Amino acid sequence: DGGITQSPKYLFRKEGQNVTLSCEQNLNHDAMYWYRQDPGQGLRLIYYSQIVNDFQKGDIAEGYSVSREKKESFPLTVTSAQKNPTAFYLCASSIGAGSSDEQFFGPGTRLTVL
Amino acid sequence: GIQVEQSPPDLILQEGANSTLRCNFSDSVNNLQWFHQNPWGQLINLFYIPSGTKQNGRLSATTVATERYSLLYISSSQTTDSGVYFCAVEPGETSGSRLTFGEGTQLTVNP
Repeated sequence: DGGITQSPKYLFRKEGQNVTLSCEQNLNHDAMYWYRQDPGQGLRLIYYSQIVNDFQKGDIAEGYSVSREKKESFPLTVTSAQKNPTAFYLCASSIGAGSSDEQFFGPGTRLTVL
Repeated sequence: GIQVEQSPPDLILQEGANSTLRCNFSDSVNNLQWFHQNPWGQLINLFYIPSGTKQNGRLSATTVATERYSLLYISSSQTTDSGVYFCAVEPGETSGSRLTFGEGTQLTVNP
């Protein structure tokens, strides 16, 4: 079964704690992305990676960090520096690196900071 | 950066009705996608349509890139069509698929 998996589905953390969200894909896609969605709004790009061991900041990267050590995996860490981390986080992938390809999304992780 | 405006923001229909959703964008684009977000938050790909017209069952989409808009048509709507519809574009001057999303159209189909 090919696709994108995100875990966990729901995550609760105390204020001031770092938390890492998992994203894995078995589609053999080169590019992967992290987006944030706030209630009633569209998605905003946090980070993206076009190839292993390389990634770029998106529009709202402050307070977040990523790594891309394997083609299949693109974990996102929400650090204590992120002022308002409670949101719905979606991971996506596309086949190409540096080209205009269709993006496919995982099921998302709902993060609530208490 | 590029601006993406979707209209209407909210739409309520009776089952069986037809509807048209609109997406306007402020600059040239390499990529345009339509998504349906279901009540559980999953984004489902509807169309990859930087230009031209495509059809998939009761849904069809048209993008007129020179006039910077795209339309999503839903015919004979069903209650399962309810959810939020997003248009997302990749600006023409960027490298790599960096999508900018509109705010969405919230569609409610009543039985």
